[in-house]
Amino acid sequence: AQTVTQSQPEMSVQEAETVTLSCTYDTSENNYYLFWYKQPPSRQMILVIRQEAYKQQNATENRFSVNFQKAAKSFSLKISDSQLGDTAMYFCAFMKHGNAAGNKLTFGGGTRVLVKP
Amino acid sequence: ETGVTQTPRHLVMGMTNKKSLKCEQHLGHNAMYWYKQSAKKPLELMFVYSLEERVENNSVPSRFSPECPNSSHLFLHLHTLQPEDSALYLCASSAESNYGYTFGSGTRLTVV
Repeated sequence: AQTVTQSQPEMSVQEAETVTLSCTYDTSENNYYLFWYKQPPSRQMILVIRQEAYKQQNATENRFSVNFQKAAKSFSLKISDSQLGDTAMYFCAFMKHGNAAGNKLTFGGGTRVLVKP
Repeated sequence: ETGVTQTPRHLVMGMTNKKSLKCEQHLGHNAMYWYKQSAKKPLELMFVYSLEERVENNSVPSRFSPECPNSSHLFLHLHTLQPEDSALYLCASSAESNYGYTFGSGTRLTVV
């Protein structure tokens, strides 16, 4: 079974600064996918970024980027130029490789990010 | 609006009541999921439906009963719940790919 661990329950950052969220996972799989989801107070889980394990290049989406270290089973998220709208819970998640629908997504415990003006 | 709609948004029910949560998606996805999100606990996968067939039941108590009549609709029927079942219930859907899920906004359930 896969496990996902987020060791930082809460982090705060000043507006326009950078914050990095950590995530580690445990798996015996070689091919898999990693995700970061954002859950603002509206409760809707929104996909922030996705990484394919067989790609060495780190994924980037605008101000969000990841540092994927496959050997260390680490998948951190960097939020650059933090904005007030980035205040939310952030969840790291793991999915085994496979094309079938119904592929399970396993989540970490989440990190609450507070962006201060 | 992400394409996955959950109703109701809030629900308060007594322990002897019977109620249902509804989830609807029109994204053409063929898998749907129920997750439970409790305070201070990781999201717990409850049920997985693929092509309208249940493919996973994660040891969920029988007081939770899912139903997937077609690929666009998913229900969670609730009866004789306990106060510890109070939580946010999230529905999600996915296509036959590994691009992650699309989530609804959840139903905040309070059992009194």
